[in-house]
Amino acid sequence: SAVISQKPSRDICQRGTSLTIQCQVDSQVTMMFWYRQQPGQSLTLIATANQGSEATYESGFVIDKFPISRPNLTFSTLTVSNMSPEDSSIYLCSVESKQDYEQYFGPGTRLTVT
Amino acid sequence: GENVEQHPSTLSVQEGDSAVIKCTYSDSASNYFPWYKQELGKRPQLIIDIRSNVGEKKDQRIAVTLNKTAKHFSLHITETQPEDSAVYFCAASTDQAGTALIFGKGTTLSVSS
Repeated sequence: SAVISQKPSRDICQRGTSLTIQCQVDSQVTMMFWYRQQPGQSLTLIATANQGSEATYESGFVIDKFPISRPNLTFSTLTVSNMSPEDSSIYLCSVESKQDYEQYFGPGTRLTVT
Repeated sequence: GENVEQHPSTLSVQEGDSAVIKCTYSDSASNYFPWYKQELGKRPQLIIDIRSNVGEKKDQRIAVTLNKTAKHFSLHITETQPEDSAVYFCAASTDQAGTALIFGKGTTLSVSS
């Protein structure tokens, strides 16, 4: 499976600021996804990052709050904008295998907003 | 849209016992059902998956069964070991390119020695 890395691994941010999370894959992948995992909870899909077009957002998530870029087939960023303590969570990217559509996750970014 | 229910939320077993986690889904179009194991502080790891053209799949001590008529699938772990302790998530999707996974709420499995 692909090797997926995320930066930063963790961060503590002030309320009202923004943080950009990077996801890098060691091979070209068609589909990348961004999930949020709040403490002790399951994974919730934020959006699908499409290369060459705008991301597709799930209900409850909007582009102004979570802008996503996908400049090429190995890289994507998720920005958490105008943060509040409720945004404290783990943010994970995942990639889809071309062969069998299996999804693999990056190590996650643990965000704490104070 | 798809909704995935997972039970139980917590499961405690003795080492060597079997553990069973069950999930139900709502969308009859779903045909891909993966299971992920997440250890504390780690990323979810894909441990086994099943597609709708099969009813059961095994990989050593782990097996998954699928009943499409009843819209439920289950994870079976035999001869449990302490290192099986983790949170397990089931998920469902339509097994097409670009289809995101919808996850259950997770089951915390504790295996005591």
